[in-house]
Amino acid sequence: GQQVMQIPQYQHVQEGEDFTTYCNSSTTLSNIQWYKQRPGGHPVFLIQLVKSGEVKKQKRLTFQFGEAKKNSSLHITATQTTDVGTYFCRDNNNDMRFGAGTRLTVKP
Amino acid sequence: SQTIHQWPATLVQPVGSPLSLECTVEGTSNPNLYWYRQAAGRGLQLLFYSVGIGQISSEVPQNLSASRPQDRQFILSSKKLLLSDSGFYLCAWSVGGGFEKLFFGSGTQLSVL
Repeated sequence: GQQVMQIPQYQHVQEGEDFTTYCNSSTTLSNIQWYKQRPGGHPVFLIQLVKSGEVKKQKRLTFQFGEAKKNSSLHITATQTTDVGTYFCRDNNNDMRFGAGTRLTVKP
Repeated sequence: SQTIHQWPATLVQPVGSPLSLECTVEGTSNPNLYWYRQAAGRGLQLLFYSVGIGQISSEVPQNLSASRPQDRQFILSSKKLLLSDSGFYLCAWSVGGGFEKLFFGSGTQLSVL
């Protein structure tokens, strides 16, 4: 089945720098979910985007859904060490599959 | 409130031995249930999902099987483990229907030696 492509695979930033991860699909996404998995932990649901062009914010995190509903992004402003982990996107259609994830490391 | 229990947290098994991982959900009825596997530093691979008792869909052909003997119980099994079965196994549940967000258990780290 179709799987969303997530980039980059890894990102290392200095604390205070911004971070962005992208999910791309060749087909239209029904809706997209974002999850965060801390090292050694389990994925935790962050947010779901449904509408074309939708933008949602959670404190320093900004989530966007593309106008064509074929891509999505998660942007973190001024990263902190607590942001460390792997961020996954998931196209919530019948496939129930996740992107490969972007692993974020933050240097204090 | 809903909770999901998954055990054991860690497991070391010899090659060729059987496996049984159990997952139970509390506080909800007729959940969708899932088993995912995650290799070290990798993404989440969907293994099985279930929309009801006795209804199991397999995503990846392998020597693993799943069963759902009760509404809120999901079991992952193998008759003979392979080295390649090592990984982090995650159980998850969601409410049936559209726009399902997943709630994950704490996972089982399985090492096959």
